[in-house]
Amino acid sequence: AQTVTQSQPEMSVQEAETVTLSCTYDTSENNYYLFWYKQPPSRQMILVIRQEAYKQQNATENRFSVNFQKAAKSFSLKISDSQLGDTAMYFCASLSGGYNKLIFGAGTRLAVHP
Amino acid sequence: NAGVTQTPKFQVLKTGQSMTLQCAQDMNHNSMYWYRQDPGMGLRLIYYSASEGTTDKGEVPNGYNVSRLNKREFSLRLESAAPSQTSVYFCASRTGTRETQYFGPGTRLLVL
Repeated sequence: AQTVTQSQPEMSVQEAETVTLSCTYDTSENNYYLFWYKQPPSRQMILVIRQEAYKQQNATENRFSVNFQKAAKSFSLKISDSQLGDTAMYFCASLSGGYNKLIFGAGTRLAVHP
Repeated sequence: NAGVTQTPKFQVLKTGQSMTLQCAQDMNHNSMYWYRQDPGMGLRLIYYSASEGTTDKGEVPNGYNVSRLNKREFSLRLESAAPSQTSVYFCASRTGTRETQYFGPGTRLLVL
């Protein structure tokens, strides 16, 4: 069965610094996708970044980048130049099974302090 | 475009009452999903509809039914609400050719 594990329940960082959120996953499939979603206090689920498993190059979106280690089944999120608006819950998720099985980790609560 | 919309935003039920959560999307997406989010946990899939006219169970389907009314709308029904169904419910949709799911704002449900 697919599983996604986020081992850091809470993290904090100073504004303008860099923080890395960890995620490991387990899947038996060859074709899959990985995502990071952000959930601010408004509860809206917002896509931050996605990674196709068949691509070796790490995905980047402005200040957000991932370190995708396929052999280790690791998918960490790096946030550079942290901003107060980055304060949120961050969920790692894995998608496979005909693209209908999106499995989430338990989340990491990130607090950005001024 | 409104994206994915959900009604109501918040609802209080008594144990044994029934209700239907509504979801609609205006992005012409083929697939739609219902998730629940409980404290300390990520979202868990309740039911999904890969295309109009089809529905399938997810991880936690017990106590729920769904209806894919048309391509735009996908409803979730609780026939006899239980306190264990207190949660935040999210609807999501995606196209048939892209993998990313887009989420609605959520419905907070409290069952007393």
